[in-house]
Amino acid sequence: KQEVTQIPAALSVPEGENLVLNCSFTDSAIYNLQWFRQDPGKGLTSLLLIQSSQREQTSGRLNASLDKSSGRSTLYIAASQPGDSATYLCAPSGSARQLTFGSGTQLTVLP
Amino acid sequence: DAGVIQSPRHEVTEMGQEVTLRCKPISGHDYLFWYRQTMMRGLELLIYFNNNVPIDDSGMPEDRFSAKMPNASFSTLKIQPSEPRDSAVYFCASSQKGLGYTFGSGTRLTVV
Repeated sequence: KQEVTQIPAALSVPEGENLVLNCSFTDSAIYNLQWFRQDPGKGLTSLLLIQSSQREQTSGRLNASLDKSSGRSTLYIAASQPGDSATYLCAPSGSARQLTFGSGTQLTVLP
Repeated sequence: DAGVIQSPRHEVTEMGQEVTLRCKPISGHDYLFWYRQTMMRGLELLIYFNNNVPIDDSGMPEDRFSAKMPNASFSTLKIQPSEPRDSAVYFCASSQKGLGYTFGSGTRLTVV
């Protein structure tokens, strides 16, 4: 059974900092991995999707990397802004295409 | 595309009543997933369908829960009878061949 761990559980940083969110998973036989953000009381918004054959994906200030063999992914956020405050969720998908979620990293960016 | 559409957005019901949650996936998507989110357990997969066929319902907590997908554009999750511990946010998500997933806005269920 896939297990996903996200570190840190919570992070508070001043505006402008570059930061890294970590995700590890126990079963490396994944189909792809997706990062989501969730604002309080809201649904999940997809940020980046990395196929299992890829090493990284970039979108604006976000960069996600994937090391399938070691069961790790990182989300890098450059020049953080208060609007980045949210919970970030990592979710690898298995061979049957189902997503398994970590508990998330709750990010607060202080102005 | 309007995205994944869930209804109702909020549902408050009394213990013992039947509750039906609805989901319209994105047109052309062949996978549909039902998740439940609580503070204690995070996001849990309840059941998922591929081409309208249930593939894995091992996450359905009890026989009180059932899900159907009568066609490619509609799915329901039913709880009968409902209990206070079923209170959670229920999300529906769809995907085309597992290449990225789109979530609905969720249904916040409160059972009193």
